[in-house]
Amino acid sequence: DVKVTQSSRYLVKRTGEKVFLECVQDMDHENMFWYRQDPGLGLRLIYFSYDVKMKEKGDIPEGYSVSREKKERFSLILESASTNQTSMYLCASRRQLTSGTSNEQFFGPGTRLTVL
Amino acid sequence: AQSVAQPEDQVNVAEGNPLTVKCTYSVSGNPYLFWYVQYPNRGLQFLLKYITGDNLVKGSYGFEAEFNKSQTSFHLKKPSALVSDSALYFCAVRPPSNRDDKIIFGKGTRLHILP
Repeated sequence: DVKVTQSSRYLVKRTGEKVFLECVQDMDHENMFWYRQDPGLGLRLIYFSYDVKMKEKGDIPEGYSVSREKKERFSLILESASTNQTSMYLCASRRQLTSGTSNEQFFGPGTRLTVL
Repeated sequence: AQSVAQPEDQVNVAEGNPLTVKCTYSVSGNPYLFWYVQYPNRGLQFLLKYITGDNLVKGSYGFEAEFNKSQTSFHLKKPSALVSDSALYFCAVRPPSNRDDKIIFGKGTRLHILP
């Protein structure tokens, strides 16, 4: 059974702190994604990674960075947390696409981050 | 700009009645289309997808969706709603020419099934 896990379900941090959100998948998927989910805005892509040590900016990368040192792990880093980064963060993984296909993404349970 | 729209923030349906959650898209070419569901305090779960072929796609939990190219729509349907179907539903589209293969999510529709 496929599984994506995230290190914390709930996290409370203070403004200016450095925050690490960890995501691990056990499906040997090449692609991994970080989204944030806000009411009325749906899911917005922060960063994604095609494979180990690869990363691409999504639609809202400002204030975030990522790390993919191992295939199964994709970390999201908030260098200096701000109150406007209070949100639900969702990690997802997907098998690498081949021509003519489009694979679905598998999501973790999410981390609800509050920045005070 | 490429986009996906879910015109209803919320849909209320009585248990046992048919349900429809609407989705329209604006992309060039033939897109790949998805529906995901999110139950409270959970991540998104894949329901179904359209790649090519039969316009009517069947998915998990008795859901189906119909791809309509002329109306650029991909509405989610179920013949008989259950209270347990109450959740947040997301439509998503992957444009076929999208080099970096990002998919675009709609803003979501909250479905309430009334007992």
